[in-house]
Amino acid sequence: GEDVEQSLFLSVREGDSSVINCTYTDSSSTYLYWYKQEPGAGLQLLTYIFSNMDMKQDQRLTVLLNKKDKHLSLRIADTQTGDSAIYFCAEDRGSTLGRLYFGRGTQLTVWP
Amino acid sequence: DAGVTQSPTHLIKTRGQQVTLRCSPKSGHDTVSWYQQALGQGPQFIFQYYEEEERQRGNFPDRFSGHQFPNYSSELNVNALLLGDSALYLCASSPRDRDEETQYFGPGTRLLVL
Repeated sequence: GEDVEQSLFLSVREGDSSVINCTYTDSSSTYLYWYKQEPGAGLQLLTYIFSNMDMKQDQRLTVLLNKKDKHLSLRIADTQTGDSAIYFCAEDRGSTLGRLYFGRGTQLTVWP
Repeated sequence: DAGVTQSPTHLIKTRGQQVTLRCSPKSGHDTVSWYQQALGQGPQFIFQYYEEEERQRGNFPDRFSGHQFPNYSSELNVNALLLGDSALYLCASSPRDRDEETQYFGPGTRLLVL
């Protein structure tokens, strides 16, 4: 397909792990990104992974990359109510000029 | 460092009017990209400015135009507004050299066209 695909909704209980999945489109994508958007706000860069890596860990965040399947995931450990937001996956499709292609976003709801 | 700033935060216009949105990039960044985010959608790339010129453009009509100033700040202009132009308009800045830095987004301007 031509679009970055994400499931639209995910609900978890506080303290559990959250896993948000994404299928991107272009095997030449160099960087893959996860952005967070809280209600009424802009996009906050959470983390990114270079295409020659399989995994990247940053505190509670773990990014896994499967280039063969063009699958990207974001795991949030010990999910908190403050993690409730929309999470966007984005790819650069090999562009060195910084143009990003985004999915529709996954709405994460964390229940206390 | 103030990060990326945008003005105004909110704007209401009527169909057929024209609008100008403004963006100041993060300190040290010289490239500015504009995105449109419709409700319930991911951001869509409009265009990018570098060295005061449009460097690349997404699938948006000519009603959407822009400008970059010598201080790297940028404007997005939309003419003949349509109801469908109602969206959050996001500005992102990035440095000239792609190292580990990447695009940083501003808080956006929410445009409502009535």
